Amino acid sequence: DGGITQSPKYLFRKEGQNVTLSCEQNLNHDAMYWYRQDPGQGLRLIYYSQIVNDFQKGDIAEGYSVSREKKESFPLTVTSAQKNPTAFYLCASSNDRVQPQHFGDGTRLSIL
Amino acid sequence: GENVEQHPSTLSVQEGDSAVIKCTYSDSASNYFPWYKQELGKGPQLIIDIRSNVGEKKDQRIAVTLNKTAKHFSLHITETQPEDSAVYFCATLGAGSARQLTFGSGTQLTVLP
Repeated sequence: DGGITQSPKYLFRKEGQNVTLSCEQNLNHDAMYWYRQDPGQGLRLIYYSQIVNDFQKGDIAEGYSVSREKKESFPLTVTSAQKNPTAFYLCASSNDRVQPQHFGDGTRLSIL
Repeated sequence: GENVEQHPSTLSVQEGDSAVIKCTYSDSASNYFPWYKQELGKGPQLIIDIRSNVGEKKDQRIAVTLNKTAKHFSLHITETQPEDSAVYFCATLGAGSARQLTFGSGTQLTVLP
C-alpha cells in the first residue's frame, strides 16, 4: 500500500539536544511538507519542499531544519534553538502544490 | 497572509442528525478548499474538497458548499454516525506559486448515540 511513514511515533528530547524526525513516502509525490500541531490549534507549516534538493521556510521555521536529498524522504531536525518543541509533528506529501495532501500518522515530541 | 476562521470549535449532535461546520477566509484569491478529518492519534485524512469554479460538491453523506462572494465555505454531514466523531479541519490554498495551505483551528465533533 502506498503511503507516508513517520517514525518514531513518540520521541523525547533532552535540553540542548537536537532530534531528527523521519518521514518517508512511497507515493512518488514531488512535494513534501512538515506541520506542527498544538492542542486546540490548526496545523502550522514549518518547511516544505516542492522538488528534490530544494526546500522553503514555512510560517514557523525558526529552530527547525530539513533536507531533501531523495524524493521519498524529508527528515525534520528539531534543534536546541527551538525553545518550545513539545508538539505533534505531521508530515504530508502531494503531487504538486494544488493537489490534495496526504498525511502520515505523526510523531509526538516531548521534553524530558 | 491568509486568515481562516472555523466555527464552532466543538459540536455535539445526536446520532442521525446533521452537522454543519463553517469556515471564513480573508484572501479572495484562494481557489482550493479541502476538508480533513483527524481521529485521535492519527494524521488528518482528506474527506472532501472543492475548487473555486464549483459552488457545491457532494459525496454520499458529506457535502461542501462554497460562497466566494461572502468568502465562506461549509461542511455538511447528514445522518451522522458515532464513527463521524473526530476533529475536522478546513483549509484554503491561495493563488501564486509561493502560497501553501492555511488551516482553520479545527472542530471537535461528537456524535452521541
